[in-house]
Amino acid sequence: EVRLVESGGGLIQPGGSLRLSCAASGFIFSRSSMNWVRQAPGKGLEWVSYISSSGPTTDYADSVKGRFTISRDNAKNSLYLQMNSLRAEDTAVYYCARELYFGDKNWFDSWGQGTRVTVSS
Amino acid sequence: DIQMTQSPSSLSVSVGDRVTITCRASQSISTSLNWYQQKPGKAPKVLISGASTLQSGVPSRFSGSGSGTDFTLTITSLQPEDFATYYCQQSYGTARYTFGQGTKLEIK
Repeated sequence: EVRLVESGGGLIQPGGSLRLSCAASGFIFSRSSMNWVRQAPGKGLEWVSYISSSGPTTDYADSVKGRFTISRDNAKNSLYLQMNSLRAEDTAVYYCARELYFGDKNWFDSWGQGTRVTVSS
Repeated sequence: DIQMTQSPSSLSVSVGDRVTITCRASQSISTSLNWYQQKPGKAPKVLISGASTLQSGVPSRFSGSGSGTDFTLTITSLQPEDFATYYCQQSYGTARYTFGQGTKLEIK
């Protein structure tokens, strides 16, 4: 069974830093591209960041580019999101999601339960 | 970036109704369109990938159609467990997988 478990969320002051983790199990992590998606309170889903299976390719939403860094440790079956210079608008539940491919189509087939980040003084 | 416009933002419906939700992309995305269902306090769940491929375990009352820029999610004979928020997502190219704003189905 595919399992993704996020951790590392919490209350942080504006300008602070936080590192989220996502522990993966039940599949060959090193073969999967991964993503972070967030959801602000009462709002919709926002794609945040992507990392390829081996890690050389990453991408970010414009709203977090230059402040967030996605990384992975395939030996530890773990995904990370380093969040710096946090702002109130980064307050959200953060989900890690596995990207599945079939032919030329791809989608997020497995999601974690989410970890809540609150940026407030 | 590709923008996704989903409508309506909310819909008041009854059990047994037929529901149609639309999603429009700001540029052609072929059939790189996915639909997700999210219930309160839960992670999203994929229903349909590639615009029309029903995921394993998803009831056949859900269907998707469209290509290019215009897409539709249809739920025939709405069931009580279908009251949720639905999101479209474009997965054209690599990364920058934007979501629509969501459509919340509410009980009439």
